Amino acid sequence: NAGVMQNPRHLVRRRGQEARLRCSPMKGHSHVYWYRQLPEEGLKFMVYLQKENIIDESGMPKERFSAEFPKEGPSILRIQQVVRGDSAAYFCASSPPGGYQETQYFGPGTRLLVL
Amino acid sequence: AQTVTQSQPEMSVQEAETVTLSCTYDTSENNYYLFWYKQPPSRQMILVIRQEAYKQQNATENRFSVNFQKAAKSFSLKISDSQLGDTAMYFCAFINGGATNKLIFGTGTLLAVQP
Repeated sequence: NAGVMQNPRHLVRRRGQEARLRCSPMKGHSHVYWYRQLPEEGLKFMVYLQKENIIDESGMPKERFSAEFPKEGPSILRIQQVVRGDSAAYFCASSPPGGYQETQYFGPGTRLLVL
Repeated sequence: AQTVTQSQPEMSVQEAETVTLSCTYDTSENNYYLFWYKQPPSRQMILVIRQEAYKQQNATENRFSVNFQKAAKSFSLKISDSQLGDTAMYFCAFINGGATNKLIFGTGTLLAVQP
């Protein structure tokens, strides 16, 4: 029973390039969440998605960031025109269908470094 | 605003001893869940324990237990018989009902278990 998968584990980009982070939820999970962890800080919520729907994107920066969770395939977090301040660990979590009482299980994270 | 506060940035404990990590939270909701997640040097986020606010009984998972004081909005984690593998950053987190399922994290406590 595979856990939440994220790839790549490490990603290096130069300023101005695009970063694409992928997340495959656990089997049977239809809810996906993205969190960002800046150096020396806790995790901050970015976006909550269900299949083909964005439920809450209140934590996403208004520009350059987007997320999707298509009917088929993994969830994608896309960062356009990256800047040094985007360097962080990006964690994906998933949970089964249901409400807030369902536990979120985390993937191993993607460490993004912007040069 | 809903917040989670961890007032101990770092703690140290001798192997085989007991340590307690503190967490307080602020919410006006009555139904919610509380979690402790562990982040070892690998940076993976691992669920340690969870507590339902409507349950008076404190949650226990092997060597890990919580002291949940709802009126005081306090949720401390006790680790008994500390092991070297317990060395990690520990994050307290909170989630409540509503249209979104976002976890709110504290800033973490870095626990070092000394041999």
